[in-house]
Amino acid sequence: DTEVTQTPKHLVMGMTNKKSLKCEQHMGHRAMYWYKQKAKKPPELMFVYSYEKLSINESVPSRFSPECPNSSLLNLHLHALQPEDSALYLCASSQDPPDTDTQYFGPGTRLTVL
Amino acid sequence: GDSVTQMEGPVTLSEEAFLTINCTYTATGYPSLFWYVQYPGEGLQLLLKATKADDKGSNKGFEATYRKETTSFHLEKGSVQVSDSAVYFCALSDLSSNTGKLIFGQGTTLQVKP
Repeated sequence: DTEVTQTPKHLVMGMTNKKSLKCEQHMGHRAMYWYKQKAKKPPELMFVYSYEKLSINESVPSRFSPECPNSSLLNLHLHALQPEDSALYLCASSQDPPDTDTQYFGPGTRLTVL
Repeated sequence: GDSVTQMEGPVTLSEEAFLTINCTYTATGYPSLFWYVQYPGEGLQLLLKATKADDKGSNKGFEATYRKETTSFHLEKGSVQVSDSAVYFCALSDLSSNTGKLIFGQGTTLQVKP
């Protein structure tokens, strides 16, 4: 089983709202990732968690706050977003970073900021 | 730094035509190479991968060979179907950053007409 699940599938929020995206995997993977993808562009890495610790933050604005409560779960807390933050947010996981191991992606959450 | 270059799309083919999507890379060391596919409205799915020179990755009729001498990883399929219409991303693992980061090409849109 190589499934990564993400909820919700779609999210619409105002600039003053606080919301969270959730990602879950049950493959025993120890690395989890958040990516942002704009239309017709490749995914851009945001954060990497390795063994439940934040290992990479790609200079992401503080209005995005990641959290890894346990090895299977990854959250992305959103606050005071801007319309330009509207995008597809993808979660991925891999067996063991920073290896060359394969990343498996979830279906994404399509976020619209009004 | 490392980079991936894909042929620009869109690529439009008739059903049962032969497909080639070119991918070349620049990297220090010997990264793993990947092809991911993204169907409309979905996340990325791993299509195939190769981890060392001369390896051939294959899946669902698609193939790609890791060519170190030409720094290429071209995607091929002998007979495409309408259901293959999607965006295809070539990617490599960024060994230099030691983060598990994937470096993506810009993506190639494939449209297959009946």
